[in-house]
Amino acid sequence: NAGVMQNPRHLVRRRGQEARLRCSPMKGHSHVYWYRQLPEEGLKFMVYLQKENIIDESGMPKERFSAEFPKEGPSILRIQQVVRGDSAAYFCASSPPVGQSSDTQYFGPGTRLTVL
Amino acid sequence: AQKITQTQPGMFVQEKEAVTLDCTYDTSDPSYGLFWYKQPSSGEMIFLIYQGSYDQQNATEGRYSLNFQKARKSANLVISASQLGDSAMYFCAMREGLGGSNYKLTFGKGTLLTVNP
Repeated sequence: NAGVMQNPRHLVRRRGQEARLRCSPMKGHSHVYWYRQLPEEGLKFMVYLQKENIIDESGMPKERFSAEFPKEGPSILRIQQVVRGDSAAYFCASSPPVGQSSDTQYFGPGTRLTVL
Repeated sequence: AQKITQTQPGMFVQEKEAVTLDCTYDTSDPSYGLFWYKQPSSGEMIFLIYQGSYDQQNATEGRYSLNFQKARKSANLVISASQLGDSAMYFCAMREGLGGSNYKLTFGKGTLLTVNP
């Protein structure tokens, strides 16, 4: 059973460019979460999505950041016009539908974004 | 106020010895879940153990056990018989509420564990 997949693992962008981070949840999981980890910090919640729905984006910066989880394909976290402060590790996690046996969130390997 | 507090920025332990990593939490919700994750130098986040607020017994998973003291709001991770591969950053996390609309994990700042040979 494949785990949560994220790509790319490392992404380098220049200021002003766009960054697209992809996440495929574990098989059977329909809930996706994105977290950001700044250097030497714990993870901070950004957004929670189900298929074709954003459930909670309260942790997302109001500008330049967006997320989607289409009916087909991976979840995408998009950062437009990146700035140096966006440099961080971005983790995706997934969990089964509510009501199933485990509500544990399983994390992908993360995408390390570096903005030059 | 911090919801998750890990007071030990770094810990050292000798191989084969046991070590306890501290975690205290703050919530007014009677229903919550506590998690521990391991982050090795390669960067991935590995789920270790889970404790629900209504669980009667302390959670155990192999060499990992969770010393859950509800009245003190602490959920310390105990690693028995430490191995060199246990050297990593360890994060405590909490989810307030169970199921439904409660899903955000709140993380502590982590404890860097170094296992010495």
